[in-house]
Amino acid sequence: EIVMTQSPATLSVSPGERVTLSCRASQSVSNSLAWYQQKAGQAPRLLIYAASTRATGIPARFSGSGSGTEFTLTISSLQSEDLAVYYCQQYKNWPPLTFGGGTKVEIK
Amino acid sequence: EVQLVQPGAVVKKPGESLKISCKGFGYIFTDYWIGWVRQMPGKGLDWMGTIFPADSDTRYSPSFQGQVTISADKSISTAYLQWTSLEASDTAMYYCARGQAATIIDSWGQGTLVTVSS
Repeated sequence: EIVMTQSPATLSVSPGERVTLSCRASQSVSNSLAWYQQKAGQAPRLLIYAASTRATGIPARFSGSGSGTEFTLTISSLQSEDLAVYYCQQYKNWPPLTFGGGTKVEIK
Repeated sequence: EVQLVQPGAVVKKPGESLKISCKGFGYIFTDYWIGWVRQMPGKGLDWMGTIFPADSDTRYSPSFQGQVTISADKSISTAYLQWTSLEASDTAMYYCARGQAATIIDSWGQGTLVTVSS
């Protein structure tokens, strides 16, 4: 089973700042990596797939990069509505699909 | 618009059985895999398994194999997650989720909160 590790666990950021979230895989997943956003009390939402492709309707301030074992989700200019927990998920080797533990983005 | 509709909440006692549902709207149900994801209180996402309704091909996470059963009735565009004997540790939110090629989850239900308490 591929283990996904996210860092940091929590990030406090001011509106307008650039945010960088990290995700590491225990073995190469090529570019088979997705990112999800989960706001409080809501279901998750797909942001990014294939490591860098934005899902339909996702604002351009969200971008993904990386391949192999190291991945990054960047929010270019944090908006207040971006307060959420962000999860990465690999789909290279499954079952099982595996998620990282999440990074909580707080507004400073 | 794609929608996955789940019941909001269920309360059960330890040892009881349960089958929760997920009905798909707005797309061809048999064209996509439907999976289930558990989220325990205050915790992250755990993928449980998935089914392809067209032929009932089902894949489970090793962590959930034998603990739950995933099924689907394509005639009514509905997938199911079933337990035969619930435990308090099954208390969680359970999301159904549509997968592109089974793996990229592009639509989520609103979740069913299952509470198991005596």
